[in-house]
Amino acid sequence: DAGVTQSPTHLIKTRGQHVTLRCSPISGHKSVSWYQQVLGQGPQFIFQYYEKEERGRGNFPDRFSARQFPNYSSELNVNALLLGDSALYLCASSPPGGGARGYTFGSGTRLTVV
Amino acid sequence: RKEVEQDPGPFNVPEGATVAFNCTYSNSASQSFFWYRQDCRKEPKLLMSVYSSGNEDGRFTAQLNRASQYISLLIRDSKLSDSATYLCVVNQAGTALIFGKGTTLSVSS
Repeated sequence: DAGVTQSPTHLIKTRGQHVTLRCSPISGHKSVSWYQQVLGQGPQFIFQYYEKEERGRGNFPDRFSARQFPNYSSELNVNALLLGDSALYLCASSPPGGGARGYTFGSGTRLTVV
Repeated sequence: RKEVEQDPGPFNVPEGATVAFNCTYSNSASQSFFWYRQDCRKEPKLLMSVYSSGNEDGRFTAQLNRASQYISLLIRDSKLSDSATYLCVVNQAGTALIFGKGTTLSVSS
C-alpha cells in the first residue's frame, strides 16, 4: 500500500506569490492534518480535516487555508508568501478511530520563499 | 511557556553509551504521549508511545510522570544508526499532536 504522498517535494516561490501543496492519505484514512516545520523547530499544527470538514486550526494567519476533497485528499494553500513561510510542510493521515497513535506522515514538501 | 519543552541539544555520545532525553509539558489535560524520531530532512516517524507504567522496546525505555508532567526516553547501548532528532509529542483526544523542538543525538564510533 502506498503511504501518505505529498506533492511537490520541493518548491521555490517568490515573496507575495501563492502556493498550493497537495496530500493523498493512506487508503482508508479519512483524517488529514497539516504541519509546518521551520528549520530547527518541531512541527507546528496548521489544520486538521476529517470527512471534508475542518476539525481544528492552529495559530496561523488567514493567509493559510486548506480543504479536503471527497476522496480524502487535501490541499494546503498559502497566499501572499513571506520569507518566514519557508519550511517543510508535512501532511499526516490517520484512520477512523486511530487516534494519535495512528498518524502517518508524508515525506513533506520543502518550500523555499525568496 | 511552550507547551512541550525538551532538553537542549545536541547530545554527542560514543557508541555503546546510555543517553537520556527529558521533556516537560504544560497542559495537564494531555492524554497521549509519544516519542518520534526524525532523520535529517525526513518526516517524523513514531518511535514509541509512552505509558504511565513505563514501557520498553528493545534498547529504548520511555517513562511518564503525570504528576510532574514529565516524559523521558532512555537509549541504552547507543548505535550509530540512533543518530537523529528525537521529538517529544503530546496530544489531547481529538486534537492535534503538539511537538517539542526536538533534541539532536549524534552517536560516534
